[in-house]
Amino acid sequence: GENVEQHPSTLSVQEGDSAVIKCTYSDSASNYFPWYKQELGKRPQLIIDIRSNVGEKKDQRIAVTLNKTAKHFSLHITETQPEDSAVYFCAASGDSSASKIIFGSGTRLSIRP
Amino acid sequence: GAVVSQHPSRVICKSGTSVKIECRSLDFQATTMFWYRQFPKQSLMLMATSNEGSKATYEQGVEKDKFLINHASLTLSTLTVTSAHPEDSSFYICSAKGSGVHEQYFGPGTRLTVT
Repeated sequence: GENVEQHPSTLSVQEGDSAVIKCTYSDSASNYFPWYKQELGKRPQLIIDIRSNVGEKKDQRIAVTLNKTAKHFSLHITETQPEDSAVYFCAASGDSSASKIIFGSGTRLSIRP
Repeated sequence: GAVVSQHPSRVICKSGTSVKIECRSLDFQATTMFWYRQFPKQSLMLMATSNEGSKATYEQGVEKDKFLINHASLTLSTLTVTSAHPEDSSFYICSAKGSGVHEQYFGPGTRLTVT
């Protein structure tokens, strides 16, 4: 089955700097890669996603890149702000609407003022 | 976006009793629902996938007789933790998908504490 690895597990950056979180996946059939932000005790919130027919996607300060050949995908947050502090999860899923989403282990991002 | 609710949000039960958690899609038909468990400072671990009207598919290591899942309608799935023990204490989160879409919509989670 699918296995998603994520690193780093913790990341501390200065406010205003960029943060990068990287993930790899094992199943070449996966073609949907969402990223979630989870605050303590809350549900995961989808912040951006990318499908395998696209190499990069950007939404304001957030961007995601995908390298299908290497089975790598990354989240980039620019101009970080205190409210970006949270746990971020990458995930991978297959093509069918019934396909399960497998989560990475999470990255705890802290923004230093 | 689509809304998924979960009930109860918190529950405390005694060891040996059973607890039922409900997951509802409020404004769309959920052909597939997923149940996750999340221990403190860990990731979401998929427990099972349920499709409306059919038996749930459980992930390896998840006891189907202990975690009973029912997906009786396109808007409701239930997870029953039977004979709960303290090690079952966790944050249980459901998610739901509609037909033909990739995106999952998560419920707010249920904090289960078994004493």
